Amino acid sequence: EDKVVQSPLSLVVHEGDTVTLNCSYEVTNFRSLLWYKQEKKAPTFLFMLTSSGIEKKSGRLSSILDKKELFSILNITATQTGDSAVYLCAVEAGGTSYGKLTFGQGTILTVHP
Amino acid sequence: DVKVTQSSRYLVKRTGEKVFLECVQDMDHENMFWYRQDPGLGLRLIYFSYDVKMKEKGDIPEGYSVSREKKERFSLILESASTNQTSMYLCASSFFRSGLPEQFFGPGTRLTVL
Repeated sequence: EDKVVQSPLSLVVHEGDTVTLNCSYEVTNFRSLLWYKQEKKAPTFLFMLTSSGIEKKSGRLSSILDKKELFSILNITATQTGDSAVYLCAVEAGGTSYGKLTFGQGTILTVHP
Repeated sequence: DVKVTQSSRYLVKRTGEKVFLECVQDMDHENMFWYRQDPGLGLRLIYFSYDVKMKEKGDIPEGYSVSREKKERFSLILESASTNQTSMYLCASSFFRSGLPEQFFGPGTRLTVL
């Protein structure tokens, strides 16, 4: 059974702090790992990672994948209150069903002014 | 912009009622998914469909059924609602092809079963 585990489950920081969110996985025939941000509505896509060691970056957010150790991290630098959200990690695994994702529990990030 | 819409944002039903949740997407996606989201448990897949009239069970299909009569529409049915089905229900859609796993989500339906 495919499994995705995120840590920590919740995190409280102050504006300006840097945070690192973790995602580890055990899946058969890994294809890709995706990060989503969910505020009080639909999750929105952040990154898709398929290759080890190649950092994806968007503004203050960055992410990297380690396919040998089976994990990914999402970094947010100089956090702002608008970064408060649930961050979801998901993995697409093998088989013939393209696009089926297994999600982790999510990390609730709260950024205080 | 991809648009995924769900028929209701909030729904209150009584135990034993039959409940229909509707989802429509406008991007001609082959795949459609129904998840429920509960605190501490993340998104759990109930059912998905990769083509019209096709459906596959996800991780927690018990107590649910689905219908996909048209490519753009995917319905989730609770045959006899129970209190443990109180949850946030999210619909999503995506392409059925390698390299494009990104799913686009609807705004969610918060269902309360009394």
